[in-house]
Amino acid sequence: SQQGEEDPQALSIQEGENATMNCSYKTSINNLQWYRQNSGRGLVHLILIRSNEREKHSGRLRVTLDTSKKSSSLLITASRAADTASYFCAPRGDSSYKLIFGSGTRLLVRP
Amino acid sequence: ETGVTQSPTHLIKTRGQQVTLRCSSQSGHNTVSWYQQALGQGPQFIFQYYREEENGRGNFPPRFSGLQFPNYSSELNVNALELDDSALYLCASSPYRGQGGNTIYFGEGSWLTVV
Repeated sequence: SQQGEEDPQALSIQEGENATMNCSYKTSINNLQWYRQNSGRGLVHLILIRSNEREKHSGRLRVTLDTSKKSSSLLITASRAADTASYFCAPRGDSSYKLIFGSGTRLLVRP
Repeated sequence: ETGVTQSPTHLIKTRGQQVTLRCSSQSGHNTVSWYQQALGQGPQFIFQYYREEENGRGNFPPRFSGLQFPNYSSELNVNALELDDSALYLCASSPYRGQGGNTIYFGEGSWLTVV
């Protein structure tokens, strides 16, 4: 089973700045997914990056994956107050049927 | 919009009671998983159902049980509620038994408070 550990635990930035969150894991993966969770709500799927991919973009989001370092990063550019949320990474192996979450990164974007 | 719907959104139960939470998975998804998320923590895997059978379970006692129906909707049942069962319960769906390559989509969750 895989578990992702997000870093930092909390991040506070000004609107318009970029936010970078990191994820580390311990064993080989098939893919890694990033999720966002607004306070008290469900998880929203952001991006899935496969083990043979190094970088992926979606709007203002950029995800990188370095399988040699067993790490991933999520960059949110030109942040908005609406980006305030917790962000979780979920690495998955080939036969993994479940996601094991860390405690997430709590992002606060100040207007 | 993930296509995964859960009900109820909020409920309050008394310790010792039983609760049933419901989930309708995204169209075409035959696998449903349930997660428990306590305040300030990440979601914890409870179990997964594929084609109406449980095929994976996390570290939860037997009083947590579930069902999956032929239309792939699902229920989570918790008996003998304890105060520590107070949490957000999340349902997630995916195609093909959630094999490693597939995206997993979550619902908005059901907030359970046990008093």
